[in-house]
Amino acid sequence: ILNVEQSPQSLHVQEGDSTNFTCSFPSSNFYALHWYRWETAKSPEALFVMTLNGDEKKKGRISATLNTKEGYSYLYIKGSQPEDSATYLCAFEDSNYQLIWGAGTKLIIKP
Amino acid sequence: EAGVTQSPTHLIKTRGQQATLRCSPISGHTSVYWYQQALGLGLQFLLWYDEGEERNRGNFPPRFSGRQFPNYSSELNVNALELEDSALYLCASSPKWGATNEKLFFGSGTQLSVL
Repeated sequence: ILNVEQSPQSLHVQEGDSTNFTCSFPSSNFYALHWYRWETAKSPEALFVMTLNGDEKKKGRISATLNTKEGYSYLYIKGSQPEDSATYLCAFEDSNYQLIWGAGTKLIIKP
Repeated sequence: EAGVTQSPTHLIKTRGQQATLRCSPISGHTSVYWYQQALGLGLQFLLWYDEGEERNRGNFPPRFSGRQFPNYSSELNVNALELEDSALYLCASSPKWGATNEKLFFGSGTQLSVL
């Protein structure tokens, strides 16, 4: 059974601080790793899709790295703002295009 | 460009009834995915359709079924509703077969409550 683990489950961060969290996934049959942001009362929104070992992607203050050999990805948020409060989901896409989702990291930014 | 639309937004049913949920993908997207999010749990994969065919289904009983129409819209049917079917049901679409390195675009969901 393939498993995608996200840690921590939840995180409280002071506004202005930087933070990061982890997605662990199987290192075999890898095709892509997805990150999504899900704000309360909204739909999940794609942040990044990464495919190559060593990939780094950036979108504003948010960036992500990928290590397919050891099976992990980090999501970084620099200078957290209240609008960053959301649940961050990662999904492992295998070579059959199946997506397996983690349970998410709930990020709460304290003003 | 319209996003993924789902209807209804909320649905209240009683045990044993049937529920039908609908999804219209983004224009040009052929793949439609259905997910269930029960309270406190992550996204659980239900069904994946592409070009009118069921490509894969998650670990759910057969009373969860669906179909994709020629215009790529999709229906999710849940028969013999049980209390534990109460959840948010999300639909997502992507441009081509499989996620294949493409992002998913999600609808706002249907909140199903089974009483």
